[in-house]
Amino acid sequence: QQQVKQSPQSLIVQKGGISIINCAYENTAFDYFPWYQQFPGKGPALLIAIRPDVSEKKEGRFTISFNKSAKQFSLHIMDSQPGDSATYFCAASEETSGSRLTFGEGTQLTVNP
Amino acid sequence: DADVTQTPRNRITKTGKRIMLECSQTKGHDRMYWYRQDPGLGLRLIYYSFDVKDINKGEISDGYSVSRQAQAKFSLSLESAIPNQTALYFCATSEGTSKAFFGQGTRLTVV
Repeated sequence: QQQVKQSPQSLIVQKGGISIINCAYENTAFDYFPWYQQFPGKGPALLIAIRPDVSEKKEGRFTISFNKSAKQFSLHIMDSQPGDSATYFCAASEETSGSRLTFGEGTQLTVNP
Repeated sequence: DADVTQTPRNRITKTGKRIMLECSQTKGHDRMYWYRQDPGLGLRLIYYSFDVKDINKGEISDGYSVSRQAQAKFSLSLESAIPNQTALYFCATSEGTSKAFFGQGTRLTVV
């Protein structure tokens, strides 16, 4: 069973638009929620992460919104650029498990010029 | 040079063959992981090791084995490869609960 569910599977946005990717989790013991970005032929790379003691974290054009009661979190990419075209994975882990990450299914983002 | 290096990058092998995928890291991290990536399924944990003497099964360990030869080296073996083990395999490292660093992946095809 997929403990972290991610949607949509694919997303196409225009340059300058907002890209939104959503994730939902089941395990209430999860306490670390990273987003990874993967370009073709490369391994995933950490983009931004949040812990459940805050409801939002922003780094440049990337923002994570976190709703603990709903067990949901989302990635917002503002002013999306063609260079943001990649596959994005949400993930979750428990503090005690180190980086034993449980990943969502992935979202392939295409930003058209 | 990459901090997490996987070899080979691509491999085609026949059903029933034994194959080893290797991972080495220069980050000095104690924790190492093997993940498998399949389209539509994300990445799934195969095995992980928190130090040289510690080996743990992940979500999908059946058909796989690992060896932690040193702090910097963690290899994944398929004892008898089967076609549904065709996938992209990633090695990762981390230090404590900090972020994980991934290698560039090994694309394995079992025919």
